[in-house]
Amino acid sequence: DAGITQSPRYKITETGRQVTLMCHQTWSHSYMFWYRQDLGHGLRLIYYSAAADITDKGEVPDGYVVSRSKTENFPLTLESATRSQTSVYFCASRTSGTSYEQYFGPGTRLTVT
Amino acid sequence: GENVEQHPSTLSVQEGDSAVIKCTYSDSASNYFPWYKQELGKRPQLIIDIRSNVGEKKDQRIAVTLNKTAKHFSLHITETQPEDSAVYFCAASINQAGTALIFGKGTTLSVSS
Repeated sequence: DAGITQSPRYKITETGRQVTLMCHQTWSHSYMFWYRQDLGHGLRLIYYSAAADITDKGEVPDGYVVSRSKTENFPLTLESATRSQTSVYFCASRTSGTSYEQYFGPGTRLTVT
Repeated sequence: GENVEQHPSTLSVQEGDSAVIKCTYSDSASNYFPWYKQELGKRPQLIIDIRSNVGEKKDQRIAVTLNKTAKHFSLHITETQPEDSAVYFCAASINQAGTALIFGKGTTLSVSS
């Protein structure tokens, strides 16, 4: 589990501010994912990436931007934070091989005031 | 796109009883169906998964069944223990390559001793 980390673990920001959540994995996994978790909604896929410089939208991409210039990093940016983006954000990764298991990071709790 | 529905949202059982959680999916192209367990304040972790070419898979007290025709799959936990108390999520892959997952909204399982 120490192979995938997220920072910061907790963040409070104001409406309208830009905030970036970081995700780093040491396994050289090809795939990386961002989810948000809200009570009553489970885990919702925001964006995912199959490799460096390849990203795709998930279920709820509006208001978020991602990039993946290096295999090990997958930052998620909220360009202008809104209160509805208050949530717990999980990053995950998996190999490109036959195992589809996703390994989750510890999560970032983001509060937008 | 894929849609996953999960029932029930909450489930309370006595220690030693069995618990069953059911999920349905919409996309016939889905071929990978994992179940994740999330304890309070922790990250989701895979407990069992099944591919579309298999009808049932078992791992000690946990089993998953898949009915491709009806597009539903279920998690069965036998001889429940208090440490089984957690939120359980089902998921389905968005395509045949298992590129990404769409999760159900979760089931909160409470096992009382």
